[in-house]
Amino acid sequence: DAKTTQPPSMDCAEGRAANLPCNHSTISGNEYVYWYRQIHSQGPQYIIHGLKNNETNEMASLIITEDRKSSTLILPHATLRDTAVYYCIVGGSNYKLTFGKGTLLTVNP
Amino acid sequence: ETGVTQTPRHLVMGMTNKKSLKCEQHLGHNAMYWYKQSAKKPLELMFVYNFKEQTENNSVPSRFSPECPNSSHLFLHLHTLQPEDSALYLCASSQLGRGTRVADTQYFGPGTRLTVL
Repeated sequence: DAKTTQPPSMDCAEGRAANLPCNHSTISGNEYVYWYRQIHSQGPQYIIHGLKNNETNEMASLIITEDRKSSTLILPHATLRDTAVYYCIVGGSNYKLTFGKGTLLTVNP
Repeated sequence: ETGVTQTPRHLVMGMTNKKSLKCEQHLGHNAMYWYKQSAKKPLELMFVYNFKEQTENNSVPSRFSPECPNSSHLFLHLHTLQPEDSALYLCASSQLGRGTRVADTQYFGPGTRLTVL
């Protein structure tokens, strides 16, 4: 599976949009982009995934560039409860999810 | 609530003990997973069960023994563990198409925090 690169940490003000970037320049045509998050000492939580088109659900939006080499997860109105480690994962050739170190998003009051 | 439960939530055991971790999923999924998360390290996939058959063993030491009696239950039997095995053990489940290996959405349980003394 393709590797991903994420900033180790980001800060966001409560109520503002949080934009979390991810680079996946080696992604292949059949690989999806997945986003999960993990609140401290809890199990990871699925957020959203996409292949080519932008996606939106009740939690977030996923913007994938046209060349698919990068993506951005958008939390439109961040709350304190959104403080977590956010993982960008690329997969598709098998059922494995390979977690990296992710981005620690801290939402400040 | 993700539909995946794990018991116990916390476990302290000695190196000579035998214990088991239990995972149950209420989502009707056909695949289940064990992950290990050590302090300050990424999640590591340990085992995968697909339609009750073990399809992945990521070079896990034999002191960890998984069991999947049906598609809803998954166990991890522990014996003669080492202190470095202390970690958060996470169970997940997903729905896979038979004969396909397309990546899917995994739903995780809350984990069992294991401490080996």
